Amino acid sequence: QKEVEQNSGPLSVPEGAIASLNCTYSDRGSQSFFWYRQYSGKSPELIMFIYSNGDKEDGRFTAQLNKASQYVSLLIRDSQPSDSATYLCAPNQGGKLIFGQGTELSVKP
Amino acid sequence: DTEVTQTPKHLVMGMTNKKSLKCEQHMGHRAMYWYKQKAKKPPELMFVYSYEKLSINESVPSRFSPECPNSSLLNLHLHALQPEDSALYLCASSQDRRGTSNYGYTFGSGTRLTVV
Repeated sequence: QKEVEQNSGPLSVPEGAIASLNCTYSDRGSQSFFWYRQYSGKSPELIMFIYSNGDKEDGRFTAQLNKASQYVSLLIRDSQPSDSATYLCAPNQGGKLIFGQGTELSVKP
Repeated sequence: DTEVTQTPKHLVMGMTNKKSLKCEQHMGHRAMYWYKQKAKKPPELMFVYSYEKLSINESVPSRFSPECPNSSLLNLHLHALQPEDSALYLCASSQDRRGTSNYGYTFGSGTRLTVV
């Protein structure tokens, strides 16, 4: 069983729509969760961090965490073509980030 | 300074060569990491240093040898690599290993390694 699971995509949404990215994890001890964006050929860039159950909003991004369901998600509102990238979910498991496979997002103009 | 600097950006080496990758940060972070990333795959953790001591080695072959000379610098020494070791090698740092701060892990731009 994979430790961190994400739909690999590609997820295609039209410009201006809401993109919804999902992630499940197996380690119940995970306390903090990170979403990274990675453009092709570039290194991962941190876009959101969430620690508590519920929602956390930052600009067009909203992270949602449900520890009971071992589920974390990222919503991107008003998606832009520049949001086209791979989004990596990474729970902090015992002091190390374990990355999911990533979801490739494509925003069509 | 909020950057992690990795050098070189690209490296081509033969299977009998010895080379080193360098990573530097001046953010006062006390945890540093090496990750390996193959094409279309997520980053895979290789090593974790906490307060300049090796705290995690994810069963990495001995042809990869990490070194942390001081709190700002992390090296990865390479020897007798195989073509399948060709990948993007990423260095990251964080305030501490718990990573519970809002800053998470900061990644460098990586070294693209090709073993021929």
